[in-house]
Amino acid sequence: KAGVTQTPRYLIKTRGQQVTLSCSPISGHRSVSWYQQTPGQGLQFLFEYFSETQRNKGNFPGRFSGRQFSNSRSEMNVSTLELGDSALYLCASSSPAGSTGELFFGEGSRLTVL
Amino acid sequence: SQQGEEDPQALSIQEGENATMNCSYKTSINNLQWYRQNSGRGLVHLILIRSNEREKHSGRLRVTLDTSKKSSSLLITASRAADTASYFCATVQNTGTASKLTFGTGTRLQVTL
Repeated sequence: KAGVTQTPRYLIKTRGQQVTLSCSPISGHRSVSWYQQTPGQGLQFLFEYFSETQRNKGNFPGRFSGRQFSNSRSEMNVSTLELGDSALYLCASSSPAGSTGELFFGEGSRLTVL
Repeated sequence: SQQGEEDPQALSIQEGENATMNCSYKTSINNLQWYRQNSGRGLVHLILIRSNEREKHSGRLRVTLDTSKKSSSLLITASRAADTASYFCATVQNTGTASKLTFGTGTRLQVTL
Protein backbone atom coordinates (compact mmCIF):
# COMPACT_ATOMS: atom_id res chain seq x y z
CA LYS A 1 0.00 0.00 0.00
CA ALA A 2 1.50 3.33 -1.04
CA GLY A 3 2.05 5.89 1.70
CA VAL A 4 1.09 9.54 1.80
CA THR A 5 2.62 11.44 -1.10
CA GLN A 6 3.36 15.13 -1.01
CA THR A 7 4.48 17.29 -3.90
CA PRO A 8 6.61 19.20 -4.40
CA ARG A 9 9.19 18.19 -1.82
CA TYR A 10 11.10 21.47 -2.02
CA LEU A 11 10.22 24.87 -3.37
CA ILE A 12 11.48 28.41 -3.18
CA LYS A 13 9.21 31.41 -3.55
CA THR A 14 9.52 35.14 -3.04
CA ARG A 15 7.43 37.34 -0.80
CA GLY A 16 4.03 38.19 -2.21
CA GLN A 17 3.79 35.08 -4.37
CA GLN A 18 1.36 32.27 -3.77
CA VAL A 19 1.98 28.55 -3.51
CA THR A 20 -0.06 25.38 -3.86
CA LEU A 21 0.97 22.13 -2.18
CA SER A 22 -0.51 18.75 -2.99
CA CYS A 23 -1.15 15.67 -0.89
CA SER A 24 -2.32 12.21 -1.93
CA PRO A 25 -3.47 10.18 1.08
CA ILE A 26 -3.20 6.46 1.62
CA SER A 27 -5.75 4.61 -0.47
CA GLY A 28 -9.02 4.34 1.44
CA HIS A 29 -8.21 7.17 3.84
CA ARG A 30 -10.75 9.95 3.62
CA SER A 31 -9.35 12.31 6.24
CA VAL A 32 -6.44 14.60 5.39
CA SER A 33 -4.82 16.98 7.85
CA TRP A 34 -2.21 19.65 7.26
CA TYR A 35 0.44 20.85 9.70
CA GLN A 36 3.05 23.58 9.57
CA GLN A 37 6.36 22.88 11.27
CA THR A 38 8.85 25.61 12.10
CA PRO A 39 11.77 25.67 14.55
CA GLY A 40 10.12 28.43 16.57
CA GLN A 41 6.49 27.30 16.70
CA GLY A 42 6.83 23.55 16.35
CA LEU A 43 4.00 21.58 14.78
CA GLN A 44 0.94 23.72 14.26
CA PHE A 45 -2.38 22.34 13.01
CA LEU A 46 -3.67 24.06 9.89
CA PHE A 47 -6.85 22.23 8.91
CA GLU A 48 -8.46 18.87 8.38
CA TYR A 49 -10.65 17.71 5.53
CA PHE A 50 -12.98 14.77 5.38
CA SER A 51 -15.09 13.89 2.36
CA GLU A 52 -14.35 17.24 0.74
CA THR A 53 -15.48 19.19 3.82
CA GLN A 54 -13.29 21.12 6.21
CA ARG A 55 -13.90 19.58 9.64
CA ASN A 56 -11.36 21.38 11.77
CA LYS A 57 -9.35 24.54 11.37
CA GLY A 58 -6.34 25.84 13.23
CA ASN A 59 -5.50 29.38 14.12
CA PHE A 60 -3.99 30.62 10.87
CA PRO A 61 -4.85 33.69 8.79
CA GLY A 62 -7.14 33.50 5.78
CA ARG A 63 -4.11 33.45 3.48
CA PHE A 64 -3.95 29.76 4.27
CA SER A 65 -6.63 27.73 2.57
CA GLY A 66 -7.21 24.19 1.47
CA ARG A 67 -9.53 21.88 -0.28
CA GLN A 68 -10.15 18.21 -0.80
CA PHE A 69 -11.25 16.50 -3.97
CA SER A 70 -13.63 13.60 -4.43
CA ASN A 71 -10.70 11.17 -4.66
CA SER A 72 -9.53 12.40 -1.20
CA ARG A 73 -6.48 14.18 -2.62
CA SER A 74 -5.96 17.51 -0.95
CA GLU A 75 -4.29 20.78 -1.77
CA MET A 76 -3.36 23.69 0.41
CA ASN A 77 -2.71 27.18 -0.83
CA VAL A 78 -0.86 30.05 0.76
CA SER A 79 -1.35 33.45 -0.83
CA THR A 80 0.70 36.62 -0.43
CA LEU A 81 3.64 34.74 1.02
CA GLU A 82 5.56 36.18 3.94
CA LEU A 83 9.04 35.32 5.16
CA GLY A 84 7.49 33.68 8.21
CA ASP A 85 5.70 31.17 6.02
CA SER A 86 8.99 29.38 5.44
CA ALA A 87 8.38 25.98 6.96
CA LEU A 88 7.98 22.28 6.44
CA TYR A 89 4.35 21.61 5.52
CA LEU A 90 3.23 18.15 6.48
CA CYS A 91 0.20 16.32 5.28
CA ALA A 92 -1.26 13.34 7.11
CA SER A 93 -4.09 10.97 6.37
CA SER A 94 -6.13 8.79 8.66
CA SER A 95 -8.84 6.18 8.39
CA PRO A 96 -12.50 7.14 8.56
CA ALA A 97 -14.37 9.07 11.22
CA GLY A 98 -14.50 7.55 14.68
CA SER A 99 -11.00 6.17 14.50
CA THR A 100 -8.35 6.61 17.18
CA GLY A 101 -6.77 9.47 15.32
CA GLU A 102 -3.51 7.77 14.33
CA LEU A 103 -1.99 9.80 11.53
CA PHE A 104 0.14 8.65 8.62
CA PHE A 105 2.43 11.41 7.46
CA GLY A 106 3.99 12.26 4.15
CA GLU A 107 7.58 13.43 3.87
CA GLY A 108 6.53 17.06 3.71
CA SER A 109 6.97 20.01 1.40
CA ARG A 110 9.74 22.36 2.45
CA LEU A 111 8.87 25.92 1.49
CA THR A 112 11.46 28.67 1.56
CA VAL A 113 10.24 32.24 1.13
CA LEU A 114 12.89 34.78 0.12
CA SER B 1 -0.85 26.48 20.30
CA GLN B 2 0.75 23.35 21.72
CA GLN B 3 -1.24 21.16 24.04
CA GLY B 4 1.80 19.25 25.23
CA GLU B 5 5.09 20.35 26.66
CA GLU B 6 7.92 17.88 26.48
CA ASP B 7 10.84 17.45 28.74
CA PRO B 8 13.74 17.43 28.21
CA GLN B 9 14.03 19.47 25.02
CA ALA B 10 17.19 17.58 24.14
CA LEU B 11 18.72 14.37 25.41
CA SER B 12 22.08 12.82 24.60
CA ILE B 13 22.86 9.26 25.64
CA GLN B 14 25.15 6.42 24.66
CA GLU B 15 24.07 3.37 22.77
CA GLY B 16 22.67 0.73 25.09
CA GLU B 17 21.36 3.21 27.65
CA ASN B 18 17.70 3.91 28.25
CA ALA B 19 16.05 7.17 27.18
CA THR B 20 13.08 8.67 28.98
CA MET B 21 11.00 11.53 27.64
CA ASN B 22 8.11 13.21 29.40
CA CYS B 23 5.03 14.96 28.11
CA SER B 24 2.62 17.13 30.05
CA TYR B 25 -0.69 18.37 28.69
CA LYS B 26 -3.45 20.68 29.77
CA THR B 27 -6.92 19.39 28.94
CA SER B 28 -8.73 16.07 29.08
CA ILE B 29 -7.90 13.68 26.28
CA ASN B 30 -9.25 10.58 24.57
CA ASN B 31 -5.84 9.14 23.92
CA LEU B 32 -2.21 10.14 23.66
CA GLN B 33 0.17 9.15 20.90
CA TRP B 34 3.91 9.27 20.40
CA TYR B 35 5.57 9.98 17.07
CA ARG B 36 9.15 9.97 15.86
CA GLN B 37 10.62 12.31 13.28
CA ASN B 38 13.97 11.84 11.63
CA SER B 39 15.59 15.10 10.62
CA GLY B 40 13.50 16.95 8.05
CA ARG B 41 11.28 13.97 7.35
CA GLY B 42 7.67 13.11 8.05
CA LEU B 43 6.47 11.82 11.41
CA VAL B 44 6.07 8.12 12.11
CA HIS B 45 3.50 6.83 14.57
CA LEU B 46 5.05 4.80 17.40
CA ILE B 47 2.42 3.96 19.96
CA LEU B 48 -1.00 4.98 21.21
CA ILE B 49 -2.28 4.82 24.78
CA ARG B 50 -5.94 5.33 25.63
CA SER B 51 -7.10 7.50 28.50
CA ASN B 52 -8.23 4.43 30.47
CA GLU B 53 -4.84 2.72 30.14
CA ARG B 54 -1.88 3.31 32.42
CA GLU B 55 0.94 1.53 30.64
CA LYS B 56 1.62 0.08 27.22
CA HIS B 57 4.54 -1.72 25.62
CA SER B 58 5.66 -2.11 22.05
CA GLY B 59 9.03 -3.74 21.46
CA ARG B 60 11.63 -1.54 23.17
CA LEU B 61 9.07 1.18 23.85
CA ARG B 62 7.18 1.62 27.08
CA VAL B 63 4.61 4.36 27.51
CA THR B 64 2.89 5.39 30.71
CA LEU B 65 -0.05 7.71 31.16
CA ASP B 66 -1.16 9.45 34.35
CA THR B 67 -4.39 11.31 33.62
CA SER B 68 -4.57 12.71 37.15
CA LYS B 69 -1.26 14.48 36.58
CA LYS B 70 -1.95 15.02 32.86
CA SER B 71 1.39 13.53 31.96
CA SER B 72 2.90 10.72 29.93
CA SER B 73 6.35 9.27 29.54
CA LEU B 74 8.06 7.38 26.75
CA LEU B 75 10.88 5.01 27.64
CA ILE B 76 13.15 3.60 24.96
CA THR B 77 15.21 0.75 26.33
CA ALA B 78 18.62 -0.36 25.05
CA SER B 79 18.84 2.59 22.69
CA ARG B 80 20.55 2.36 19.31
CA ALA B 81 22.14 4.97 17.07
CA ALA B 82 19.15 4.54 14.74
CA ASP B 83 16.89 5.87 17.52
CA THR B 84 18.41 9.32 17.01
CA ALA B 85 15.42 11.49 16.12
CA SER B 86 12.92 13.93 17.54
CA TYR B 87 10.05 12.47 19.53
CA PHE B 88 6.67 14.15 19.85
CA CYS B 89 3.68 13.40 22.00
CA ALA B 90 0.27 14.20 20.55
CA THR B 91 -2.93 14.46 22.51
CA VAL B 92 -6.20 13.50 20.91
CA GLN B 93 -9.56 15.06 21.57
CA ASN B 94 -12.53 13.62 19.77
CA THR B 95 -14.88 16.37 18.63
CA GLY B 96 -17.94 14.51 17.43
CA THR B 97 -16.88 12.66 14.31
CA ALA B 98 -13.45 14.31 14.11
CA SER B 99 -10.28 13.62 16.02
CA LYS B 100 -8.03 16.56 16.63
CA LEU B 101 -4.38 15.91 17.36
CA THR B 102 -2.28 18.53 19.05
CA PHE B 103 1.45 18.00 19.16
CA GLY B 104 3.90 18.77 21.90
CA THR B 105 7.15 20.65 21.50
CA GLY B 106 9.27 17.53 21.03
CA THR B 107 12.39 16.01 22.52
CA ARG B 108 15.50 15.75 20.39
CA LEU B 109 17.28 12.48 21.17
CA GLN B 110 20.89 11.88 20.19
CA VAL B 111 22.27 8.37 20.64
CA THR B 112 26.01 8.11 20.27
CA LEU B 113 28.14 5.01 19.73
